Amino acid sequence: DQQVKQNSPSLSVQEGRISILNCDYTNSMFDYFLWYKKYPAEGPTFLISISSIKDKNEDGRFTVFLNKSAKHLSLHIVPSQPGDSAVYFCAASGRVLGNTGKLIFGQGTTLQVKP
Amino acid sequence: EPEVTQTPSHQVTQMGQEVILRCVPISNHLYFYWYRQILGQKVEFLVSFYNNEISEKSEIFDDQFSVERPDGSNFTLKIRSTKLEDSAMYFCANLMGSATDTQYFGPGTRLTVL
Repeated sequence: DQQVKQNSPSLSVQEGRISILNCDYTNSMFDYFLWYKKYPAEGPTFLISISSIKDKNEDGRFTVFLNKSAKHLSLHIVPSQPGDSAVYFCAASGRVLGNTGKLIFGQGTTLQVKP
Repeated sequence: EPEVTQTPSHQVTQMGQEVILRCVPISNHLYFYWYRQILGQKVEFLVSFYNNEISEKSEIFDDQFSVERPDGSNFTLKIRSTKLEDSAMYFCANLMGSATDTQYFGPGTRLTVL
């Protein structure tokens, strides 16, 4: 069941450059999307979210873009810093269904930012 | 900033034994969740809990699993008879209760079944 997919298992960028992490979903009933960052042996840490009524949400260096027609979202990190090196998970939820808020996660993308 | 805490951080057990994983959620949060991540795989939803009862559970959450919030504070996940394939990181998460809320995760418990 691959409702949320992150097709790039890894990404390497130079410090100061832009990191773009991508995520695709198949269930059109998803209406809330989140990005989490995870370090080894720690829990996922919330980064940024977007509701399906928007196409962009920005928080500091992090911007999430949502393209509903393509069922695609992306996370932009500008400028990238070595401390951003971690695994990034895309997650989706279908709140309009009145469901319980459970999150469906992608497989994760490991970002490495080189100094 | 309030945090979700989990104990123990690492649990080693023999196959067939019972384990209880504990979580202290953020106070005044209303929805509680357990997820797990098998090494190298994605984070998977196990169960959601609201108003002292299970509101949704996944196929993984079979009769060997149970959850409760015995004292109105701690939120526990019990595995009655552990199997080798239960070895994973188990994460507790909670959410305050509105559509724009975010789930906050605990640091996880690493369960190793031998």
